[in-house]
Amino acid sequence: DADVTQTPRNRITKTGKRIMLECSQTKGHDRMYWYRQDPGLGLRLIYYSFDVKDINKGEISDGYSVSRQAQAKFSLSLESAIPNQTALYFCATSESGGMNTEAFFGQGTRLTVV
Amino acid sequence: QQQVKQSPQSLIVQKGGIPIINCAYENTAFDYFPWYQQFPGKGPALLIAIRPDVSEKKEGRFTISFNKSAKQFSLHIMDSQPGDSATYFCAAAYNQGGKLIFGQGTELSVKP
Repeated sequence: DADVTQTPRNRITKTGKRIMLECSQTKGHDRMYWYRQDPGLGLRLIYYSFDVKDINKGEISDGYSVSRQAQAKFSLSLESAIPNQTALYFCATSESGGMNTEAFFGQGTRLTVV
Repeated sequence: QQQVKQSPQSLIVQKGGIPIINCAYENTAFDYFPWYQQFPGKGPALLIAIRPDVSEKKEGRFTISFNKSAKQFSLHIMDSQPGDSATYFCAAAYNQGGKLIFGQGTELSVKP
């Protein structure tokens, strides 16, 4: 089983609809992240959480919200989807503190807004 | 603004060649510089990483060269193989890691 699991893997939705992307992890990490990948733009940080009670905006948070339901669960919501939110979305986790800062990514959710 | 700039966007080499991917950063507070490798349909995975107190790090066929004064770092793949065909991302972070700032990515194709 994957250590970082994203659901769904693929989703097509209509403009204006609310959609939630879910992420769960079995690595026991405190830190969780949501990134968006677009061709030519790399991975851009949407939101991140360093523990259950901590939520921080990343560089492109407009139009998105998140919820950290538990240490292992971090969901991303699009309140009213628009076509330019069509992208590949990744959840990631990492340990807190120390020098080991490796991020572990899920397999991604491909979202299409029509 | 793009805090980490990566080039080239795509790269094609023959098997055995040495592809080089370059990154430049602005924030001198960055203290961790990893490279991630991504295969189609998969999430990125850590390949190799360096901290600014060393100028070079080698792991197998992969080498990071780091130039602190120029605020640049690069990935070299020795004796490249078709199985190295993937997208490569450089990244940077500060305060002992945490959130990563990624470059734009380089799509590498190694021809047999």
